[in-house]
Amino acid sequence: EVQLVESGGGLVQPGGSLRLSCTASGVTFSNYWMSWVRRAPGKGLVWVSHIKSDGSTTTYADSVKGRFTVSRDNAKNTLYLQMDSLRADDTAVYYCARAAFWAFDYWGQGTLVTVSS
Amino acid sequence: QSALTQPPSASGSPGQSVTISCTGTSSDVGGYNRVSWYQQHPGKALKLMIYEVNKRPSGVPDRFSGSKSGNTASLTVSGLQAEDEADYYCSSYAGSTYVFGTGTTVTVL
Repeated sequence: EVQLVESGGGLVQPGGSLRLSCTASGVTFSNYWMSWVRRAPGKGLVWVSHIKSDGSTTTYADSVKGRFTVSRDNAKNTLYLQMDSLRADDTAVYYCARAAFWAFDYWGQGTLVTVSS
Repeated sequence: QSALTQPPSASGSPGQSVTISCTGTSSDVGGYNRVSWYQQHPGKALKLMIYEVNKRPSGVPDRFSGSKSGNTASLTVSGLQAEDEADYYCSSYAGSTYVFGTGTTVTVL
């Protein structure tokens, strides 16, 4: 059974940094693109970033470009999201998801990031 | 990138059908046959229901079907059951990025 477990969320001040992790099990992690998706309180889902299976290609939503960095360690079956220069509008539950066939076929339960002073 | 437009709510009685629309542009929904649909029950993980417009992953009942015409994709749930009451989101590939819909809450009356 494929499981994705996010961690690293919490309360951070505006301008601060946070690193999220997503650990995968039950899957050959290194074969798949992986994505981060977020949902702000009371809002819908927003795609944030994705990374190719070997880590060679990354793409970001305009809203986080230059502030967030996605990476992965295939030896540890772990996906990361380094978030810098955080703003109040980055407050959201962050989900990691496995990408396949231009869709997201497995999701984690999410980790809450709150940006507030 | 603007979110895809979905109706906020939809409803139907058990056994009936409900269709949810997902409207985008020629840069996303209309430009690619890469629309997917997701179901989320409160407190549960998101579940992929449809991918590549009209394909169902293993284990998804055939009551769920997808289609697309122009810039609008649709999810139809036939033979509505109580367990289908949930939030539904569409998503589309948009040329190196993805965009999600605004979400629809389906209520089984």
